[in-house]
Amino acid sequence: DTAVSQTPKYLVTQMGNDKSIKCEQNLGHDTMYWYKQDSKKFLKIMFSYNNKELIINETVPNRFSPKSPDKAHLNLHINSLELGDSAVYFCASSQVGTGLGGYTFGSGTRLTVV
Amino acid sequence: AQKVTQAQTEISVVEKEDVTLDCVYETRDTTYYLFWYKQPPSGELVFLIRRNSFDEQNEISGRYSWNFQKSTSSFNFTITASQVVDSAVYFCALSENYGGSQGNLIFGKGTKLSVKP
Repeated sequence: DTAVSQTPKYLVTQMGNDKSIKCEQNLGHDTMYWYKQDSKKFLKIMFSYNNKELIINETVPNRFSPKSPDKAHLNLHINSLELGDSAVYFCASSQVGTGLGGYTFGSGTRLTVV
Repeated sequence: AQKVTQAQTEISVVEKEDVTLDCVYETRDTTYYLFWYKQPPSGELVFLIRRNSFDEQNEISGRYSWNFQKSTSSFNFTITASQVVDSAVYFCALSENYGGSQGNLIFGKGTKLSVKP
């Protein structure tokens, strides 16, 4: 069983479209994250949710809207896609309260905006 | 502010050489966590190790070893007898303290390791 699964793995879309990336974790973790990896491989936090509550919201255009229907899911919706949104988006989860273990990452979604 | 610096952008070695990847971090927290991740060409992020700030013991796992030195704020990673399969981008990361446990991950810019046969 995949611990953190993201769909789709690849997403090619035109500028101006709206798209969503889904993420689910079956580890029972209480915190989920979205990271963006740009073309230079730099990884940066975008959002963090703990038990469905937003706890980190970095300087990200408000075209990006995360949604957490429950603590096992954190989806990312992007409106009015721009060329600069092309990147790999990673979902991750961790268990904050116990301080045990690391962060488990999904396999990434490669978004290409044309 | 928290920061992770991986000064080596790219390293190229020949198989069986030993290689050390450097990582220097900055934080004001007394409790923090340090990580190394491997990103092979296939793109996934593979967890290698997690260390908390109170545990300065070095760790060895097979050909991998880590040297954590709080005095120099460094958490270096050594691969002994490197193999072609070790070719990847390696990320060092720091986790802020959040409610007494690990918070968000702050990544260094990564070191691309190429191991040639």
